[in-house]
Amino acid sequence: EADIYQTPRYLVIGTGKKITLECSQTMGHDKMYWYQQDPGMELHLIHYSYGVNSTEKGDLSSESTVSRIRTEHFPLTLESARPSHTSQYLCASSELGRGGEKLFFGSGTQLSVL
Amino acid sequence: KNEVEQSPQNLTAQEGEFITINCSYSVGISALHWLQQHPGGGIVSLFMLSSGKKKHGRLIATINIQEKHSSLHITASHPRDSAVYICAVSTFGNEKLTFGTGTRLTIIP
Repeated sequence: EADIYQTPRYLVIGTGKKITLECSQTMGHDKMYWYQQDPGMELHLIHYSYGVNSTEKGDLSSESTVSRIRTEHFPLTLESARPSHTSQYLCASSELGRGGEKLFFGSGTQLSVL
Repeated sequence: KNEVEQSPQNLTAQEGEFITINCSYSVGISALHWLQQHPGGGIVSLFMLSSGKKKHGRLIATINIQEKHSSLHITASHPRDSAVYICAVSTFGNEKLTFGTGTRLTIIP
């Protein structure tokens, strides 16, 4: 069972609002990721972290920001949401096991910006 | 062109049929992942391969490094197998994954 949680599950907000998508994991993983996924499309990495106080931008340009003050917590913030931010946001963590990195995903946050 | 290509994009089959989903990639990889995404978005990691073959229950994953190709097989398919199956690869020195667009599988009772 994956112990990685995202809230909220669904969020509908108006343009210009500041929002924070929460992601927490209780597995003690150092590596955490945020992916963005549009319907029928592949996942794109927007942010990742390899430990506390370490954050990097991913391959897909994003106006969001992240922080990693605690190992278990990796929130994503949009300062001013726009309709173009409407998408599904998936948080993940990984651990190095036998044979490579094993991934664990949260249930995702479906964001709709009106 | 995506570095990871999956086929077919959509697959509908009868319960009990043997299912094969294919993944081809164009770069040298350190590992290939098969993921399952159910309606509603949650993703589960099924397999991680760097060579050979792995089996878990009714699921079998194979990889041919020379041909840059992997297959995911489902034996005795069941409606609960209906989901999107995603292939993703990581390259040496870069642990970030590149994803395929997924194969939508529907198993009809």
